[in-house]
Amino acid sequence: DAGITQSPRHKVTETGTPVTLRCHQTENHRYMYWYRQDPGHGLRLIHYSYGVKDTDKGEVSDGYSVSRSKTEDFLLTLESATSSQTSVYFCAIQTSGRDTQYFGPGTRLTVL
Amino acid sequence: GESVGLHLPTLSVQEGDNSIINCAYSNSASDYFIWYKQESGKGPQFIIDIRSNMDKRQGQRVTVLLNKTVKHLSLQIAATQPGDSAVYFCAEGDTGGFKTIFGAGTRLFVKA
Repeated sequence: DAGITQSPRHKVTETGTPVTLRCHQTENHRYMYWYRQDPGHGLRLIHYSYGVKDTDKGEVSDGYSVSRSKTEDFLLTLESATSSQTSVYFCAIQTSGRDTQYFGPGTRLTVL
Repeated sequence: GESVGLHLPTLSVQEGDNSIINCAYSNSASDYFIWYKQESGKGPQFIIDIRSNMDKRQGQRVTVLLNKTVKHLSLQIAATQPGDSAVYFCAEGDTGGFKTIFGAGTRLFVKA
C-alpha cells in the first residue's frame, strides 16, 4: 500500500460519539486525501491537504474535519458521528499535481 | 460539471480471453488519466496511466487507449486471469489542480 497505513482498520461506534481516523505515510508526499466509498457512489472526496496545516474541503465535507500538524499524518475527525457516516474511508497520497494517487488499506466505520 | 463515467457496470469474461473496460469523460481539457483496480476489502491500486499527448500506453498485460476526439478511455487486459477479478475505476486528473475525479467503477468477473 505504498507506505500508507490507516488506523483503526475497523471501528464500531454509536451515534453522537466523536471518532478520529488516522492516516500515516512514510513517503514524505505533500498531498494527502480522505475519501469515503459507498455502494453506488464510488469514491467521494471529503477533505484534502496540500501541506502541513494546509487543508481544504472536498465534495462531501459536512460533518467532517481534518488536521495535518506534520507531513506524515493526516487525521479525519467526525465530531459527532451519525449513521449516514457509516462507510469505508480511504486515505490517499500524491507526490505532486497531476500525478497518481496511492491509497491506504481503508477503515471500515460502522455508526450504530 | 466534470464527470467520469463507465459504459458498463459489470463485465464477465472467460479466463484466457481479453477484457476491454470502457470509460467516457466530459472535460475536453483533461490531460491526465488513470486506471485503478480494487479487489474486495482493499484500497484502489494503480494500474496504468496516460497523458493526453499519447493515445496508447502499454504495461504488463494491460494497455490503455485514449481517444481525445470522442473523449473515451479504455483499459485492455490480455489473457484475463482469475486474479483480475475486481472493480476497475477510471479516473481523471482535475485540470484545476491536484484532485482526482473517479468514475463509478466496472466490476470484472473472470469465469474459469
